[in-house]
Amino acid sequence: AQSVAQPEDQVNVAEGNPLTVKCTYSVSGNPYLFWYVQYPNRGLQFLLKYITGDNLVKGSYGFEAEFNKSQTSFHLKKPSALVSDSALYFCAVRDRDTGRRALTFGSGTRLQVQP
Amino acid sequence: SAVISQKPSRDICQRGTSLTIQCQVDSQVTMMFWYRQQPGQSLTLIATANQGSEATYESGFVIDKFPISRPNLTFSTLTVSNMSPEDSSIYLCSVSDRLSGNTIYFGEGSWLTVV
Repeated sequence: AQSVAQPEDQVNVAEGNPLTVKCTYSVSGNPYLFWYVQYPNRGLQFLLKYITGDNLVKGSYGFEAEFNKSQTSFHLKKPSALVSDSALYFCAVRDRDTGRRALTFGSGTRLQVQP
Repeated sequence: SAVISQKPSRDICQRGTSLTIQCQVDSQVTMMFWYRQQPGQSLTLIATANQGSEATYESGFVIDKFPISRPNLTFSTLTVSNMSPEDSSIYLCSVSDRLSGNTIYFGEGSWLTVV
């Protein structure tokens, strides 16, 4: 079975400050990890993914995430937050050692960036 | 990435009726999935739409309630049958295309309210 935990329902950060949105995962094999963002009244937009290789992956809109196998984590980060980053963020995983292609999602973290 | 179009984008439905959601992709895709996002919740996989054969349903979802078709590699439909207010959700079509491999992209969703 595969699962994702996003321990924070909401993260508040001031504009210009660094932000971190936390994600931990559980898979029986090796993970593919993803971050998506959902703006109000919109579908999900792909931000970035970890497949293999460098543990630090860079994605859209200046976001990056670091894969940490020992801590089974894939935290989303951005050096300087913008008000426009305020949205709902989802971490997702799938086990690349099984035939299952669908993603399992975390509960989501609402990011609020204050001006 | 593939461009995914869903219809309808929004609808208000009467209890006991059925509604069919269409998902059209601008290129051939290997995998198509249907997710549900209930208000304020995360995404839950309903089923994997298989081209030319019956869909593969997740635990808690059945074909009689959520019949799915996928006649070719660019189109799928999800029907929500005999709707109740508990079916009020966003229904999201998602795809994995040949070029992106492991990335799954989402449509804008179909926002259904059952009254």
